[in-house]
Amino acid sequence: GAVVSQHPSRVICKSGTSVKIECRSLDFQATTMFWYRQFPKQSLMLMATSNEGSKATYEQGVEKDKFLINHASLTLSTLTVTSAHPEDSSFYICSATTSGARGQFFGPGTRLTVL
Amino acid sequence: QKEVEQDPGPLSVPEGAIVSLNCTYSNSAFQYFMWYRQYSRKGPELLMYTYSSGNKEDGRFTAQVDKSSKYISLFIRDSQPSDSATYLCAMSAYHGNQFYFGTGTSLTVIP
Repeated sequence: GAVVSQHPSRVICKSGTSVKIECRSLDFQATTMFWYRQFPKQSLMLMATSNEGSKATYEQGVEKDKFLINHASLTLSTLTVTSAHPEDSSFYICSATTSGARGQFFGPGTRLTVL
Repeated sequence: QKEVEQDPGPLSVPEGAIVSLNCTYSNSAFQYFMWYRQYSRKGPELLMYTYSSGNKEDGRFTAQVDKSSKYISLFIRDSQPSDSATYLCAMSAYHGNQFYFGTGTSLTVIP
């Protein structure tokens, strides 16, 4: 149980384009989803927390207009990187949790490369 | 001061060794403590979840929490090459609330 999927697993795009990453909880309803980014050999950096049906809460320094988060249902959250630039290249990981769950359950991550 | 401190390593041990991984923290409100294992280019997977102080054992893994010292540990017995990964500690004050992660310790178990 507690499986979280992400799609796509890898994406390469040109600078200036927008990229959408999906995060799905496959076998449970996620009341809260988190989005992280991770640079090589560094730890997870929380970008935002989203609860179903409400606006995401962004961490300090994360541009909400650049990283659009939508948590439209209890099993799906999306992260859209708008007008991506090479410095946005990173590993983006989502996680999900629900009431009564022990810990957060992570997706496999999406590697974004912006040329 | 960071909320959670973790030695990034890298740590290299021979197969069969006992591995000790540690984190310290500053926020006395933390009461949920977790250890995650992350293989290269993969998402973290939950290894151990403990609440408050004490020990928890699961197979070759033992998690210890000492809230008085604000110190948590993960022990791996009879380490295997497949244990080679980055281990992240995480903690939170309230169930389902924001987690605070350590930087991760890179472990290599040499056959």
